[in-house]
Amino acid sequence: DSGVTQTPKHLITATGQRVTLRCSPRSGDLSVYWYQQSLDQGLQFLIQYYNGEERAKGNILERFSAQQFPDLHSELNLSSLELGDSALYFCASSVDSSNSGNTIYFGEGSWLTVV
Amino acid sequence: EDQVTQSPEALRLQEGESSSLNCSYTVSGLRGLFWYRQDPGKGPEFLFTLYSAGEEKEKERLKATLTKKESFLHITAPKPEDSATYLCAVQAVQAGTALIFGKGTTLSVSS
Repeated sequence: DSGVTQTPKHLITATGQRVTLRCSPRSGDLSVYWYQQSLDQGLQFLIQYYNGEERAKGNILERFSAQQFPDLHSELNLSSLELGDSALYFCASSVDSSNSGNTIYFGEGSWLTVV
Repeated sequence: EDQVTQSPEALRLQEGESSSLNCSYTVSGLRGLFWYRQDPGKGPEFLFTLYSAGEEKEKERLKATLTKKESFLHITAPKPEDSATYLCAVQAVQAGTALIFGKGTTLSVSS
């Protein structure tokens, strides 16, 4: 158990809908990262938050957004869903954004299926 | 552009048959190189971080090494429970602390 908690574990929704994925980082971790994993693309970095503020952006679509709350949990919002958004979404956390020595730990993921 | 390439894509070994997985990287500046293990439907599990060329780290049957252009994950006398996908990722200076992943090597070890 990495200590990173993600909910829900599985989600099935229809095209055009909106969903919210939730992540609780490890105790003491200030950075939260979101990744998308599909069969053909591997793990793709979406976005990073550090202590409530956006720190880095990767290949995140405009239909997707995220935020980190004062208690450090984070939410990833996916809207106007398309079939191609079906994937495993991972949250990860680390202690300090500026320290390259810190390990990044991953949660178990949220399986999203868009039908 | 920062890039990570892993080879082979898939590797089948007999129990006890040692081998190596390769991770080649191109980054503007390397903060660290990470190895993870991922089981089907699970999140990546941290194995090692390497920071500079020449560095080596070991854990049970696994040993990771780093050069200026690539990293190797050596698996000595593997067991069936070592079957998993092994992911390599780099943390690049220009990209902050987010990890850039390769597509992984899927290892199958049969008894």
